[in-house]
Amino acid sequence: EPEVTQTPSHQVTQMGQEVILRCVPISNHLYFYWYRQILGQKVEFLVSFYNNEISEKSEIFDDQFSVERPDGSNFTLKIRSTKLEDSAMYFCASGVGSSYNEQFFGPGTRLTVL
Amino acid sequence: AQSVSQHNHHVILSEAASLELGCNYSYGGTVNLFWYVQYPGQHLQLLLKYFSGDPLVKGIKGFEAEFIKSKFSFNLRKPSVQWSDTAEYFCAVNVVTGGGNKLTFGTGTQLKVEL
Repeated sequence: EPEVTQTPSHQVTQMGQEVILRCVPISNHLYFYWYRQILGQKVEFLVSFYNNEISEKSEIFDDQFSVERPDGSNFTLKIRSTKLEDSAMYFCASGVGSSYNEQFFGPGTRLTVL
Repeated sequence: AQSVSQHNHHVILSEAASLELGCNYSYGGTVNLFWYVQYPGQHLQLLLKYFSGDPLVKGIKGFEAEFIKSKFSFNLRKPSVQWSDTAEYFCAVNVVTGGGNKLTFGTGTQLKVEL
C-alpha cells in the first residue's frame, strides 16, 4: 500500500539555523499539506499546496516558512531561521482531491530546536 | 473559524469494555468529519469519515461514529475494546464551503486498554 514518507525522522538544530523537512507524497496525489504538533498540544494546519502554489496557509505559516515541490516527487518545508518555539512534530499529508477526500499522513519529523 | 473539542484527554478501559469518545465542533455550516488514530510509534491513519448520508458511519477495526447535527457532535464508539486499541484518537473537521481542504483537529484522546 502506498504511503507518505518523511525524512529525517528526527532533526536537531540550533536556534537561528535553517532546516528543510522532506516529504514524498503518494504518487498520484495532487494536494499536499504540512501540519505540526507541539508536544502536548493539538495538530495544527500550516499550509496546503496545489498546482505548484500555496492554496491556503495559517497564521503560523509566516515569512520564516516556505514550501516547495522541487521535482515530481518531493515536497519540502523550509524554516529559514528556527526559533525555540518551532520545536514540534511536523506531519506531511497528501490527498487525491478536494475536501471530500481523505488526507494520508506521513510518520512525522520531530524537530528539536536548541 | 471552526474549532473541535474532545472532552476526554485520557481514558483507561479494561479489555471488552465499551468505548465512547466525545467530539464536538463549532462550525454551523456543512462539514466533513473524521476520526484519525495514531498507534504508538506510527503515523496518523484514518479510522472513519462522514461526508453525507447515513449519520452512523462504520470504520475499520469495529469502530463507528454517529453524526448528530443538532448537537454538533461526532462521537466515536466501539462496543468492545481490545488491548491493541491502545492509541491516541483525534477528531478532525473540514469545512466544505470556503474552508479549503485543511483539517482542524481536536486535542486528541489518549486511550489505554488494560488486559
